Amino acid sequence: KNQVEQSPQSLIILEGKNCTLQCNYTVSPFSNLRWYKQDTGRGPVSLTIMTFSENTKSNGRYTATLDADTKQSSLHITASQLSDSASYICVVSVRQAGTALIFGKGTTLSVSS
Amino acid sequence: NAGVMQNPRHLVRRRGQEARLRCSPMKGHSHVYWYRQLPEEGLKFMVYLQKENIIDESGMPKERFSAEFPKEGPSILRIQQVVRGDSAAYFCASSPTSSDTEAFFGQGTRLTVV
Repeated sequence: KNQVEQSPQSLIILEGKNCTLQCNYTVSPFSNLRWYKQDTGRGPVSLTIMTFSENTKSNGRYTATLDADTKQSSLHITASQLSDSASYICVVSVRQAGTALIFGKGTTLSVSS
Repeated sequence: NAGVMQNPRHLVRRRGQEARLRCSPMKGHSHVYWYRQLPEEGLKFMVYLQKENIIDESGMPKERFSAEFPKEGPSILRIQQVVRGDSAAYFCASSPTSSDTEAFFGQGTRLTVV
């Protein structure tokens, strides 16, 4: 069964600190892995998208890693800001003819001052 | 190039009424996906459409829900005879080709059934 599991479910950190969010997946055949940021009451916004051959990809203070062997990904946020408070969703795309986007439930990050 | 546009942003319906949610994909995008998000839950896939075709509706409830993406105009998610359990945020995403490419999301329609 294709599944995407994220941890932790929620996280509270102080402004300026770093944090790492985890994503484990059991999806086959794998096409790509995406991280989205969803602010409360808004639609998800793409942060990164990585294919099988990519190990790391950065977008400003966000750095995603992918280990296709262990089927794990992480999203590292550096020097957190209050505006980073949001839900971070890991999405894995399955290479098939149909819809093929498997969503994790997300990690809710709260950054406090 | 405007992003994915959904309207209305908020919709209130009484039990038994019909709800129509609209999604205009980004220019040049011919693939549309609808997702439902319940409070405190993740996004759940409902249906995947291309112009005039339903590709995958495995996430759609068998009754009362339907979707279309006509040759001209926005994609419509229609919910007949709404019940309280239909209250949720409904998100639409579009992509230029298949789901192998990046999907862009709209801001969602928040449906409240009273």
